[in-house]
Amino acid sequence: KNQVEQSPQSLIILEGKNCTLQCNYTVSPFSNLRWYKQDTGRGPVSLTIMTFSENTKSNGRYTATLDADTKQSSLHITASQLSDSASYICVVTGTQTGANNLFFGTGTRLTVIP
Amino acid sequence: DGGITQSPKYLFRKEGQNVTLSCEQNLNHDAMYWYRQDPGQGLRLIYYSQIVNDFQKGDIAEGYSVSREKKESFPLTVTSAQKNPTAFYLCASSTGLAPHYEQYFGPGTRLTVT
Repeated sequence: KNQVEQSPQSLIILEGKNCTLQCNYTVSPFSNLRWYKQDTGRGPVSLTIMTFSENTKSNGRYTATLDADTKQSSLHITASQLSDSASYICVVTGTQTGANNLFFGTGTRLTVIP
Repeated sequence: DGGITQSPKYLFRKEGQNVTLSCEQNLNHDAMYWYRQDPGQGLRLIYYSQIVNDFQKGDIAEGYSVSREKKESFPLTVTSAQKNPTAFYLCASSTGLAPHYEQYFGPGTRLTVT
């Protein structure tokens, strides 16, 4: 069964600190992996996308890594800001065509406190 | 949120009533989608439309209906047959059919049925 699991479920960190969020998946065959940021009560916004051949992708203070062999990805946030408080969702795509070939994780809720 | 609007932001209904959620996009995207988001669960696909006058069921279509009469509009009706309609509903669109095209999400509608 194609699944995407994220950890931790929630995380609280002090402003200015770094943190790393994890995403493990069983989707196969694999096409790409996206990280989204979702503010409370808003729609998700794409942060990064990585294909099978990419190991790392950065977007400002956000850096995503991918190990396609172990089916693991991480999202590292550097020098966190209060505005980073949000849910972070990992989405894994299979190679087949069809809108139901997107597999969403349950998200990690990050809270950054001053 | 890009050029996708959802209205209203909050919606309250009595059990047994049908309710229609609006989704409009000005991105000239061909494909549109409806997802449901519940606490502790990943996004689940309700319906999607690849082109005007065509739509397909997603993973949890029971109790929902859609129409796609115009390219920019994809309303979702939550019928009284939906057993647990209280949720956060997200509309998305993409240039072509996911998963091979990036989806852009609207701000969401929170529906509460009592």
